[in-house]
Amino acid sequence: GENVEQHPSTLSVQEGDSAVIKCTYSDSASNYFPWYKQELGKRPQLIIDIRSNVGEKKDQRIAVTLNKTAKHFSLHITETQPEDSAVYFCAALSGAGSYQLTFGKGTKLSVIP
Amino acid sequence: SAVISQKPSRDICQRGTSLTIQCQVDSQVTMMFWYRQQPGQSLTLIATANQGSEATYESGFVIDKFPISRPNLTFSTLTVSNMSPEDSSIYLCSVVGVTGGTGELFFGEGSRLTVL
Repeated sequence: GENVEQHPSTLSVQEGDSAVIKCTYSDSASNYFPWYKQELGKRPQLIIDIRSNVGEKKDQRIAVTLNKTAKHFSLHITETQPEDSAVYFCAALSGAGSYQLTFGKGTKLSVIP
Repeated sequence: SAVISQKPSRDICQRGTSLTIQCQVDSQVTMMFWYRQQPGQSLTLIATANQGSEATYESGFVIDKFPISRPNLTFSTLTVSNMSPEDSSIYLCSVVGVTGGTGELFFGEGSRLTVL
């Protein structure tokens, strides 16, 4: 089955700096890669996603890149703000057949004012 | 995206008892799942709730421990049976919303269970 590795497990940045979280996946048939943000005590919220036919996607301060050859994808947050502090999870959806979303172990991002 | 309501939102349970969590969606959805999130951990898929048939369980999860019902396309229940402290977790109902191509996965608010 699919295996998703996520790094780093914790990340501290100064407000205004950029943050980058990286994930690798094992199944070359995976074709959908969402990112979730989970604030303390709340549900995971989808913040951005990318499909395998796209190399990069951007939404305001958030961007995701995908390298299919290397089987890795990254989340980039620019101009970080204290409200970006949360746990971020990457995930990969395996190919044809059933809907199997495999999550990384998460990155705790702390933005220091 | 669909509105997903879960109840209870939290509960404190005694060892050996069972608790049923309900998940209600405001629209008909084909794919519905139950996830577990242990304290400080990632999300682990328990099972796919299939409408009109038995749920499909992931490795490490069995029907006797986590029976699931899915009577229609908007409702499902997950029961955590014969609970032990190791079952203390957040249990999340999730559905796939299709907006062209592969669908996005959305989560309910979660049910936080503490087993004493």
